[in-house]
Amino acid sequence: IVLTQSPDTLSLSPGESATLSCRASHSVNSIYLSWYQHKPGQGPRLLIYGASNRATGIPDRFSGSGSGTDFTLTISRLEPEDFAMYYCYQYGISPPATFGQGTKVEIK
Amino acid sequence: QVQLAQSGDEVKKPGSSVKVSCNVSGGTFSNYPVTWVRQAPGQGLEWMGRITPVTGMTNLAQKFQGRVTITADKSTTTSYMELSSLRSEDTAVYYCATGLTTRYSLDVWGQGTTVTVSS
Repeated sequence: IVLTQSPDTLSLSPGESATLSCRASHSVNSIYLSWYQHKPGQGPRLLIYGASNRATGIPDRFSGSGSGTDFTLTISRLEPEDFAMYYCYQYGISPPATFGQGTKVEIK
Repeated sequence: QVQLAQSGDEVKKPGSSVKVSCNVSGGTFSNYPVTWVRQAPGQGLEWMGRITPVTGMTNLAQKFQGRVTITADKSTTTSYMELSSLRSEDTAVYYCATGLTTRYSLDVWGQGTTVTVSS
């Protein structure tokens, strides 16, 4: 399953909202879909699992939605620490797992 | 608190192999898979494969089949990823990760191991 994220880059200001898209080439079971934040020099951080459930300690400005082939990560009221790369991921069994190519959220 | 501790950075010659370890502590080396992911310079995250320690069952990305071996030692709660026939394009940071909340997500990550392939 190929995951295609859009856009490649989002240029926004702190306080604005970000909407990130993840489209799958075939239907994905929602329980398999998760979102990650990745900053240079650090390991990725789980934000959302099961398409819409916030991971432990994740602020409520992060939310996930979607089903089937279309999934969305929304970041409301961007904070300075939110500027990073974001990846969607599907667990997959057969064929196995894949990541999207990533969306960079950068400061405008 | 579950933690994943990876082995140190490596420099390898083309054609050789590298074996990276990932020790899981603070939790149960359980039914949840240990997954291996890499990130080459300037590239995104790339899923390599995973192992379910309790069964030893592995799933590998087609791209790496024949070149990667993922194992798990239940006695030491350690997973290993060995990549053979290294080439310059294998230069990357290699991560292990595992689920906590569900088996389908990657809640906890290792610190990353940089593998540099250079002659």
